[in-house]
Amino acid sequence: EVQLVESGGGLVQPGGSLTLSCVASGFTFSNFWMHWVRQAPGKGLEWVANINQDGSQKKYVDSVKGRVTISRDNAKNSLYLQMDSLRADDTAIYYCMRLTGGDWGHGALVTVSS
Amino acid sequence: QTVVTQEPSFSVSPGGTVTLTCGLSSGSVSTTDNAVWCQQTPGQAPRTLIYGTNVRSSGVPDRFSGSILGNKAALTITGAQADDESDYYCLLNMRSGIWVFGGGTKLTVL
Repeated sequence: EVQLVESGGGLVQPGGSLTLSCVASGFTFSNFWMHWVRQAPGKGLEWVANINQDGSQKKYVDSVKGRVTISRDNAKNSLYLQMDSLRADDTAIYYCMRLTGGDWGHGALVTVSS
Repeated sequence: QTVVTQEPSFSVSPGGTVTLTCGLSSGSVSTTDNAVWCQQTPGQAPRTLIYGTNVRSSGVPDRFSGSILGNKAALTITGAQADDESDYYCLLNMRSGIWVFGGGTKLTVL
């Protein structure tokens, strides 16, 4: 059974930093592109970033470029999202997603507030 | 900036067939855009129904199907059931390599 389990969410002040983690199981993690998707309260889904199998290719939505870094550790079957200079509009549930296969984590809530 | 367009809302009768579409504000959707369709009910994580335009995710009933209709990606639900009442989002792969969600369609079954 495929599982994606996010962790690392929480309350952070504006301008602060946070790193989300996603541990994958049930498939060969190193064979797949991985994605982060977020959903602000009461809003639709927003694609945030993705990373290829060996971490050499990364793409970001314009609103997070320069503030967010996606990375992975295939030895640990783990995906990460490092978020810096956080703003109130980064408040959202962040989901880890394997697009090919259609698997999602349960999400991690990030709240940016003073 | 290209926007991914979806119908804001749609309704279907139980047992009926409905086709939701996903287009681009400029240009046409093709199989190379690798359309993804996700279903989400309130308070739940999304669930992918279709990826790669027409590939059903594991466990998704075959009454959900994906296709290209004209210049748009399409999700067809055949034999709609009450628990199909959800928000449906499409996701497209842009030429630049980034992915973009549509605004979502709220489907009502009544």
